Amino acid sequence: GEDVEQSLFLSVREGDSSVINCTYTDSSSTYLYWYKQEPGAGLQLLTYIFSNMDMKQDQRLTVLLNKKDKHLSLRIADTQTGDSAIYFCAEKTGGGNKLTFGTGTQLKVEL
Amino acid sequence: NAGVTQTPKFQVLKTGQSMTLQCAQDMNHNSMYWYRQDPGMGLRLIYYSASEGTTDKGEVPNGYNVSRLNKREFSLRLESAAPSQTSVYFCASSEYTSGHNEQFFGPGTRLTVL
Repeated sequence: GEDVEQSLFLSVREGDSSVINCTYTDSSSTYLYWYKQEPGAGLQLLTYIFSNMDMKQDQRLTVLLNKKDKHLSLRIADTQTGDSAIYFCAEKTGGGNKLTFGTGTQLKVEL
Repeated sequence: NAGVTQTPKFQVLKTGQSMTLQCAQDMNHNSMYWYRQDPGMGLRLIYYSASEGTTDKGEVPNGYNVSRLNKREFSLRLESAAPSQTSVYFCASSEYTSGHNEQFFGPGTRLTVL
């Protein structure tokens, strides 16, 4: 079955790097996503990676995918207070268009 | 473009009352979704509609019904609300594609059932 897990909380200091981790169980995942949810708002897509890639970089964001271990991570360089939010990983499996979301990681950035 | 809009933003119901959550998108997307978000449980799919005229159950459909009114609109109905349905409800839409599938989310409806 499909199951996506994340740790619930992460606290970092402003200027440090943040690493948010995610594990998934469905080996047929085709695309994996990171969404960001700011307080009181809906989710917005941050970045995504195709399952045949190991890494994707987009400005301050680096996504690493270890398909063998079914592990996905999001690194945010030079974390700012504006990065404080809940981050969700999600996987798309098979030919359908549904996503399975993880539990979300609350990132708190301290001064 | 407004994207995905949801009404109402907030709602308080008594146990046993019914209500309909409305969702509309102006991006001409084929697929639409209803999720609920609960602390520590992430987003769970309630129902989805892959295309106009079709609806399917998601992970947690019990106690809910949906209607895909047309391509733009997808409503979620609670026939007899229960306290366990206290949650934040999100509607989303996307293109139907075998490739990359970005879902666009509405701002959410915060529902409390007393």
